[in-house]
Amino acid sequence: QVQLVQSGAEVKKPGSSVKVSCKASGGTFSSYAMSWVRQAPGQRLEWMGGIIPISTSANYAQKFQGRLTITTDESTSTAYMELNSLRSEDTAVYYCARVGTMVGVEVLDHWGQGTLVTVSS
Amino acid sequence: DIQMTQSPSALSASVGDRVTITCRASQSISTYLNWYQQKPGKAPKLLIYAASNIQNGVPSRFSGSGSGTDFTVTISSLQPEDFATYYCQQSYGPPWTFGQGTKVEIK
Repeated sequence: QVQLVQSGAEVKKPGSSVKVSCKASGGTFSSYAMSWVRQAPGQRLEWMGGIIPISTSANYAQKFQGRLTITTDESTSTAYMELNSLRSEDTAVYYCARVGTMVGVEVLDHWGQGTLVTVSS
Repeated sequence: DIQMTQSPSALSASVGDRVTITCRASQSISTYLNWYQQKPGKAPKLLIYAASNIQNGVPSRFSGSGSGTDFTVTISSLQPEDFATYYCQQSYGPPWTFGQGTKVEIK
């Protein structure tokens, strides 16, 4: 049974950075890509970027280029999302999600429980 | 970016009703379309992948159809546990994008 467990809620000041972790268990960590998705209050889900652990190659949504870094640590089966230069609009619940492939289509088949990041002065 | 638009944004229905939610993509995405269910305070859950395939463990009252730009998800007989928000998502090309969600409420 695949499980993704994320780190706890964070409160940050504008201009600072946040790093959220996502520890995987129950599967082969390096075999699957991992994505990060966020959801601001009352808003739709927003894909931020993803990484393939075995290649350490990450890709990011244009919106977050230059501010977002996604990494993995295969030794601990953990993925990380670091977002810099935080502003109030970054207040959201951040989810990690495993990327599976089903009949050739990529899906987000397992999700972490979410981490609330609040950006406030 | 590919824009995903769902309709309606919200609906009220009764237990036992047949419910259909529509998702439209701003360009053709073949069948690179997935549906998720999200309950308040919880992470989304994969329901349907590749437009019409039901994820393991999802009740058979859920079904999906469509290709190209127009897609639907149908709940044949709404159950109390189905009251939630539903999102479509395209994985045709990055960035992956989601619809704005359809909230299914109790009438």
